Order: sequence, then C-alpha cells, then structure tokens
Amino acid sequence: DTGVSQNPRHKITKRGQNVTFRCDPISEHNRLYWYRQTLGQGPEFLTYFQNEAQLEKSRLLSDRFSAERPKGSFSTLEIQRTEQGDSAMYLCASSPDDRASTEAFFGQGTRLTVV
Amino acid sequence: SQKIEQNSEALNIQEGKTATLTCNYTNYSPAYLQWYRQDPGRGPVFLLLIRENEKEKRKERLKVTFDTTLKQSLFHITASQPADSATYLCAFSQSNDYKLSFGAGTTVTVRA
Repeated sequence: DTGVSQNPRHKITKRGQNVTFRCDPISEHNRLYWYRQTLGQGPEFLTYFQNEAQLEKSRLLSDRFSAERPKGSFSTLEIQRTEQGDSAMYLCASSPDDRASTEAFFGQGTRLTVV
Repeated sequence: SQKIEQNSEALNIQEGKTATLTCNYTNYSPAYLQWYRQDPGRGPVFLLLIRENEKEKRKERLKVTFDTTLKQSLFHITASQPADSATYLCAFSQSNDYKLSFGAGTTVTVRA
C-alpha cells in the first residue's frame, strides 16, 4: 500500500497522559499536514511541514501539542497532559509539490479517546 | 474571518436521482475549491478541484460549479447509487496558502 499510513488507528488514554501518533506520508510528497476532526465537523488544520521545516501552526495547536518531521520523511504528533477535549480523530495528509492547487492525500486517521 | 457553510447536515435521495449539495462562503473567494468524500471511520478522499476562474468541472457522474458572485459552489451526483452514500466535504485554499479550510460536510444517503 503506497498511501498515507497512520499509527495507531485507535488510542485510549487517561487524562493527563502523553500520547504520540505517527504518520508516514506518500514517499515522494514533500508537504505533510496534520488536521483534527471532531464528530459532525470537517477537519480543522493544525500544522504543516515542507520537508523537515514546520512552516505554519494553527492557534488550535496549544503548547501541549508538538509535531516533528525529522529528515522530511515520517512525522509525529505528540500531545502532552491530555485533556478530554483532545478526544478527536487526528488526520495526516500529504501532497506532492508546492502548488496550492494540489489535492491532499489523507491517511485513515488516529482516533483518540481521553477518559 | 472566512466562514464556510454546507447547506444541510443530511440529504436522503432515491437511487437514480441527482443529489445536489451546496457550499457557501463569506468574504473573499478562495483560489481553489475542492470536494472530498469521507466514509465513516476513514480519512477524506479527493474527488474534484475547481479554480476561481472556472465555472464548471466534471468527472464521470460528478459535477462541480463555482459562482463567485453568489459565493457558492454546487456539487452534483447524477444517477446516484447506494454506493454514493457518504459524507461530502467542501474545502477551500488560497494561492499562497497550502492548508485547507473545510466545511462541516453533508451526509448523503441513497436509498435503493
């Protein structure tokens, strides 16, 4: 499968714990995005990378959230001291080049439940 | 700030009919408007992209229109099939801004 891969698919954690999600984009894509989606809503932008550089972060990305993309390949999204409001689907997407008109290829998402 | 509204949360239609979904926006026109399909528990899948200087795009049974005067895009599924049942999301992006801003989606159910 050469699509965007996200792990784990599901994560249940206790409030206050740290969690880390991984995204493996399509190999030749240099842009990588993280979005968050809650029930009944569309995805909301969190952050994006061009290669290893994190170029933009949303105001939604509080200081408890951090994302990395070492070597411009896979990316990780870490949430520290999780809160119940962090429960959501976390989606990763990648796109092939610098054109804003390019479609985004999404992974299957990581469903986070904070109890 | 830009606001994106999709006309209804749910649309139920009979197989063979045309489903028409609406995406409205406020303020400035996006440079690019995209439509995605999302099935339960899965990530969105790209369907079509239309640019602000284009009026219409087609792909098989799908058609998208873009009216910058009305600040509206219409998405049509012709000869609908039960397999078309899903949530459809519209998303905007600007020329120098690579992130997508999504509407809340419209869930389409096609009855056999």
